[in-house]
Amino acid sequence: DIVMTQSPLSLPVTPGEPASISCRSSQSLLNSNGDNHLDWYLQKPGQSPQLLIYLVSNRASGVPDRFSGSGSGTDFTLKISRVEAEDVGVYYCMQTRQTGALTFGGGTKVEIK
Amino acid sequence: EVQLVESGGGLVKPGGSLRLSCAASGFTFSSYTMNWIRQAPGKGLEWVSSISSSGDIYYADSVKGRFTISRDNPKNSLYLQMNSLRAEDTAVYYCAREVLLQRDYWGQGTLVTVSS
Repeated sequence: DIVMTQSPLSLPVTPGEPASISCRSSQSLLNSNGDNHLDWYLQKPGQSPQLLIYLVSNRASGVPDRFSGSGSGTDFTLKISRVEAEDVGVYYCMQTRQTGALTFGGGTKVEIK
Repeated sequence: EVQLVESGGGLVKPGGSLRLSCAASGFTFSSYTMNWIRQAPGKGLEWVSSISSSGDIYYADSVKGRFTISRDNPKNSLYLQMNSLRAEDTAVYYCAREVLLQRDYWGQGTLVTVSS
């Protein structure tokens, strides 16, 4: 199975400041179509996870443009340009490259300083 | 409005069985791949199983041979039959709709506790 490794584990942030989360996969997530099968999810406190970003850099419906994703192959990054209080929660990357063996990263907890 | 409502969780003894249900509404259920994803208390997310609109089924190695996913399209329902339950199966179980490989809608989850 593809192992997903996120860093940092915890990220204290100041409102209005940028934030960045890294996600690395043990195998390339690039498929033959040229797409990298990497998604980002946010689980706010007490809520179910919600889709943020799909295929590395595409924001899901309703996701503010302060969220952006980048990367290719095995290295990916989620960036928040200016953190807001409502952005706190645990962020997970997920690979869908390996059908039938989908895996998540361990999560990064974003909290306000 | 898309809604996914899980039910069927509860307390069960090791070795026991439980059947989870997910009632879907607000979309054409039969056209979508559906997933079960779980989260152990205080832990991260773990994909469990998926079933496509055409009936292709996949399981995580950790549940293969013990869990069975199924769907009833006329009833707009997804199921997870869980047998030979272990303590490590204790988790909140979410059903999630999949579109173009993304899980775009999730239910609120149902808690399964395996304990003697």
